[in-house]
Amino acid sequence: SYVLTQPPSVSVAPGQTARITCGGNNIGSKSVHWYQQKPGQAPVLVVYDDSDRPSGIPERFSGSNSGNTATLTISRVEAGDEADYYCQVWDSSSDHPGVFGGGTKLTVL
Amino acid sequence: EVQLVESGGGLVQPGGSLRLSCAASGFTFSSYWMHWVRQAPGKGLVWVSRINSDGSSTSYADSVKGRFTISRDNAKNTLYLQMNSLRAEDTAVYYCVKSAGRTTVVYFDYWGQGTLVTVSS
Repeated sequence: SYVLTQPPSVSVAPGQTARITCGGNNIGSKSVHWYQQKPGQAPVLVVYDDSDRPSGIPERFSGSNSGNTATLTISRVEAGDEADYYCQVWDSSSDHPGVFGGGTKLTVL
Repeated sequence: EVQLVESGGGLVQPGGSLRLSCAASGFTFSSYWMHWVRQAPGKGLVWVSRINSDGSSTSYADSVKGRFTISRDNAKNTLYLQMNSLRAEDTAVYYCVKSAGRTTVVYFDYWGQGTLVTVSS
């Protein structure tokens, strides 16, 4: 089955740029989606189809995808961005197509 | 406003059964695939199962195949997850999730608040 690999943690100072990666075999050929989850809350979709933002998500959140790595970029990081972030793809060729990365804890210093 | 409200979680002994329900509102339930996603305490998200819009097609994670059954009642705008032969490793918060995208590109645009299932003697 398809595997997505994320770093366990990323740290960044307020106002700086955070980049969270999601690795997978030829992931650039797939559409990648990103979710933010704060403690005790349900996940929230922040980027879909590699780089599109749902309504209500700040422009500071952006995504890219190429080769074997997809990246979620958060510009001008705020304290409120501290959360777990998960990437996700749909492997339609598999019997169990839903795939999440292991998650990355973003710490705002 | 889209709302997904799960119910049915609780404490169950190993080998027992539980049925989760998810009441949906704010969108045309019968037009969308639906999913269950779970999260063990302190762990990451794991996709569990999906069902297509009319209930004629389903798929499952290997870890639950043969033990869990997803179903839906479009007349009642309700999604279900029947969980049998429960194991300690099934302990998790279970989220009801609305599907978005296309058949080959699926993502999750709305999530319920989750219901906790604890499997323990």
